[in-house]
Amino acid sequence: KQEVTQIPAALSVPEGENLVLNCSFTDSAIYNLQWFRQDPGKGLTSLLLIQSSQREQTSGRLNASLDKSSGRSTLYIAASQPGDSATYLCAVSSILMDTGRRALTFGSGTRLQVQP
Amino acid sequence: ETGVTQSPTHLIKTRGQQVTLRCSSQSGHNTVSWYQQALGQGPQFIFQYYREEENGRGNFPPRFSGLQFPNYSSELNVNALELDDSALYLCASSRDRGLAGELFFGEGSRLTVL
Repeated sequence: KQEVTQIPAALSVPEGENLVLNCSFTDSAIYNLQWFRQDPGKGLTSLLLIQSSQREQTSGRLNASLDKSSGRSTLYIAASQPGDSATYLCAVSSILMDTGRRALTFGSGTRLQVQP
Repeated sequence: ETGVTQSPTHLIKTRGQQVTLRCSSQSGHNTVSWYQQALGQGPQFIFQYYREEENGRGNFPPRFSGLQFPNYSSELNVNALELDDSALYLCASSRDRGLAGELFFGEGSRLTVL
């Protein structure tokens, strides 16, 4: 059974700090991994998508890495800003063993607060 | 704005009732997936539809069912509502049937079951 864990569950940092969010998954047979941002009570916004054959993706101040063999991904946020405050979720696309069909499995997220 | 719209935004039902939630996918997208997100948790995958057929499903009972229409919009139906069905229901559209492409989410429908 695919399980996705995100550490830490919550994080508070002063503005300007560089930070790393962690995501781990138990079944390394994934098709891709995505990082999302969710503001309170809102839908999800896709930040970065890493295919299983890739090692990292970058978009602006965000960099995501993927180590499939160890079942880990990190999201690096450079020079954090108060506007980065949100919950960050990672999700992996893989085959669910009990249904034999593709599914997307999410972690519970890291709630980030950037203090001005 | 992702171009994915969901309705209604909020609704309240009582146990045992049935509910239908709707989703219009982004232009050019032929795949829609649905998720249940309980408070403080990550979204749980319910199922996915590609060209009007279900082609992926998570661990949800049969009382969760869906439809996709020729214009690629979609409905999620939940029968015999239970208190634990209270959650934010999200839909996402994509161009890729295999969950290998980028997903675009709507703002969700918040369901409260009393």
